[in-house]
Amino acid sequence: NAGVIQTPRHKVTGKGQEATLWCEPISGHSAVFWYRQTIVQGLEFLTYFRNQAPIDDSGMPKERFSAQMPNQSHSTLKIQSTQPQDSAVYLCASSLEGGRLEQYFGPGTRLTVL
Amino acid sequence: QQKVQQSPESLSVPEGGMASLNCTSSDRNFQYFWWYRQHSGEGPKALMSIFSDGDKKEGRFTAHLNKASLHVSLHIRDSQPSDSALYFCAASDTNAYKVIFGKGTHLHVLP
Repeated sequence: NAGVIQTPRHKVTGKGQEATLWCEPISGHSAVFWYRQTIVQGLEFLTYFRNQAPIDDSGMPKERFSAQMPNQSHSTLKIQSTQPQDSAVYLCASSLEGGRLEQYFGPGTRLTVL
Repeated sequence: QQKVQQSPESLSVPEGGMASLNCTSSDRNFQYFWWYRQHSGEGPKALMSIFSDGDKKEGRFTAHLNKASLHVSLHIRDSQPSDSALYFCAASDTNAYKVIFGKGTHLHVLP
């Protein structure tokens, strides 16, 4: 079991460019989460899928962020018109179901917006 | 206000010593608590869960939960340099899909 896979590990974009981050959850896990981690804000919840369906995107900045889960083996987080304040580590996690059960995190994608 | 608050922000202990980390929740709906540990360059990894009042021991790690005071703690005995990491307290409620993380405690174990 390779664990949760995230690609790329590092991404550098210029201000205004688009960034797409990929996540492959652990096979058989029905819940997929995206988080953003910064020094100032800590670990912030962005969005949650269960059985590929979007359940809660209350943490997503509304205008430029979007997440999809087109099939059970991968999810994407897209940031349009990236801004320097989007610089962070973006973490994907999966679990057998939400909340009570252990979340397994990927290594994260470090996004740097110049 | 953060729903899950951790203290201290940073903690240094000598190798072989005891490290004590604290976490307080402001939401009485939280019923399930976790401790996660994150080493530099990696994602967080679950250390242990605690859902009932009292102590739960796993090896060198002991978690304590007091639901009445909404307080959970983690004690690490015989601390090792490999325990140096960022420790998160996390909580979820009975609807239990969203987990709220605290800002973390940086633990430094000094050789």
